[in-house]
Amino acid sequence: ETGVTQTPRHLVMGMTNKKSLKCEQHLGHNAMYWYKQSAKKPLELMFVYNFKEQTENNSVPSRFSPECPNSSHLFLHLHTLQPEDSALYLCASSQGRDPYQETQYFGPGTRLLVL
Amino acid sequence: GNSVTQMEGPVTLSEEAFLTINCTYTATGYPSLFWYVQYPGEGLQLLLKATKADDKGSNKGFEATYRKETTSFHLEKGSVQVSDSAVYFCARTNAGGTSYGKLTFGQGTILTVHP
Repeated sequence: ETGVTQTPRHLVMGMTNKKSLKCEQHLGHNAMYWYKQSAKKPLELMFVYNFKEQTENNSVPSRFSPECPNSSHLFLHLHTLQPEDSALYLCASSQGRDPYQETQYFGPGTRLLVL
Repeated sequence: GNSVTQMEGPVTLSEEAFLTINCTYTATGYPSLFWYVQYPGEGLQLLLKATKADDKGSNKGFEATYRKETTSFHLEKGSVQVSDSAVYFCARTNAGGTSYGKLTFGQGTILTVHP
């Protein structure tokens, strides 16, 4: 149990659908992250939030829209995705005090398939 | 720049064999270094970390030493078990700049241990 939960664990959606991924951390952390893990590619950082403010958008297409209403919850809203967006989406959290030392704690991921 | 290079897999070993997975990083700044492990169907879990030169991280029989002179952080285990079968990721924190909290990951090494 890592203290970071993600729902749903699996999601299948069409290209015209709108869906949302949810992440919740129970560790009292202030920084939260979205990563994309595609087959045969390194993990790609998508977004970073620290104290609810977005501090990093790693050139992510606008069809991915993050939302961080508080330090414990992070959402990724999905709209008109493409088949190449199929991947494992991982959420992580960290304390938010020292970015160059901190350990990030990962959730189990949401396996997304776009048809 | 900030990059991490891992040895290509997959690595296949028999139970009780000695494991080494090589990892090198670009010598930009003074990063913290991590090994994460991803078991089948799960998210990433921190395996071990080291925050400064000559530190040794260890956990569950795995070890890695932060070698500044060779910019390496190789993962070793003296006797692997079938339950160690997973994907192993080497990662570094980015040093300086505006990339808050950004971890750069290697491409991952698949380890399979046979009985």
